[in-house]
Amino acid sequence: EVQVVQSGAEVKKPGESLKISCKASGYSFTTYWIGWVRQMPGKGLECMGVIYPGDSDTRYSPSFQGQVTLSVDKSISTAYLQWSSLKASDTAIYYCVRHSEAGGLTSPFDIWGQGTLVTVSS
Amino acid sequence: DIQMTQSPSTLSASVGDGVTITCRASQSIGRWLAWYQQKPGKAPKLLIYQASSLESGVPSRFSGSGSGTEFTLTISSLQPDDSATYYCQQYNGYSTFGQGTNVEIK
Repeated sequence: EVQVVQSGAEVKKPGESLKISCKASGYSFTTYWIGWVRQMPGKGLECMGVIYPGDSDTRYSPSFQGQVTLSVDKSISTAYLQWSSLKASDTAIYYCVRHSEAGGLTSPFDIWGQGTLVTVSS
Repeated sequence: DIQMTQSPSTLSASVGDGVTITCRASQSIGRWLAWYQQKPGKAPKLLIYQASSLESGVPSRFSGSGSGTEFTLTISSLQPDDSATYYCQQYNGYSTFGQGTNVEIK
């Protein structure tokens, strides 16, 4: 079964760092772009950026450039989303997604993780 | 960024009704448009891609149309299980979503 499974919910304080994960299985991890999507409480979906595990080519959406870092570990088929200094406004559910076409960015998100709730509060 | 605008924001219809949601792009995106369904507490699910192609396993009562800047998602005969929020997404360049349409069953 093709799936991505995300790490569990996190509760952090403002200023703390965080790295959440997304483990892929059932397909060739290195040949499909992986993306991250933010959903703030009661709000819509926002694309944060994408990364190609084959060579770590990374593209950030303008609103998220400099705010987060995407990375992968090919050896364990896992993608990561990290923050160096969290803010209360980072409180949201974060979804890991897979682009549906091998090697292709011009494709929709066919596989979604279950979401990771990140709560940032003092 | 390409802006995506959905209408209406909310709609209420009865079981068996046909419903249509519209999505407009701020510039032409060809047919690089997808529709997703999200139920409370769940991840979104891909319904339609490339404007009108039905994702495997999605009921045939869902259909999509359009190209360029104007697109529609139609549910031909609304079912209780269709109560959800629906999002359009353009994937021509940096991907962006519409703000969502909440579909309620009367």
